Amino acid sequence: DIQMTQSPSSLSASVGDRVTITCRASQSISIYLNWYQQKSGKAPKVLIYAVSSLQSGVPSRFSGSGSGTDFTLTISSLQPEDFATYYCQQSYSTPYTFGQGTKLEIK
Amino acid sequence: QVQLVESGGGVVQPGRSLRLSCAASGFSFNSYAMHWVRQAPGKGLEWVAVISYDGSNILYADSVKGRFTISRDNSKNTLNLQMNSLRDEDTAVYYCARDLGRGPPAAVYGMDVWGQGTTVTVSS
Repeated sequence: DIQMTQSPSSLSASVGDRVTITCRASQSISIYLNWYQQKSGKAPKVLIYAVSSLQSGVPSRFSGSGSGTDFTLTISSLQPEDFATYYCQQSYSTPYTFGQGTKLEIK
Repeated sequence: QVQLVESGGGVVQPGRSLRLSCAASGFSFNSYAMHWVRQAPGKGLEWVAVISYDGSNILYADSVKGRFTISRDNSKNTLNLQMNSLRDEDTAVYYCARDLGRGPPAAVYGMDVWGQGTTVTVSS
């Protein structure tokens, strides 16, 4: 199975900050890397798919980059509604594993 | 509007069975692969199974292989998950989710529509 490791596991930041979350795969996953946001008690929501493709309706302050095994999710200017848990997921091969999550909290 | 609604969750004893359903509306159900993803209390997301748009390709996580069966009825716009021989560790919120495409063997690019989840508790 491909292991997905996110860092950091938690992060405190302020409104307006630029934030970067990283995700490392245990082997190359080509472009098959997706990012989700999950708010407490709610279903996940896809933000980015295929490394850098912004899902329709997602604000442009979210962006993704990377290749091979190392990927990043960047939020250019944090908004109050962005405080949530973020997960990366590989869809290169089954099982389509998720990272352990990064909880983004208000400083 | 595009919507997925899960049902069928509940409390069940270890070793027993449960069947989850997911009703799809607002899109061409027979054009998309579908997934089940679960989340144990206080834990992260775990992918469970995927079924291609036409039901011809099905893949499972090792943790449920041989016990769970994913299926779909494109005439009724319904996705199902038959869960047998349930274990304590199957306790979770179960989400159905739409794939961005047709699914295996084609490329899988993640899940763009999710249901609200249904809770399964396995306990004696």
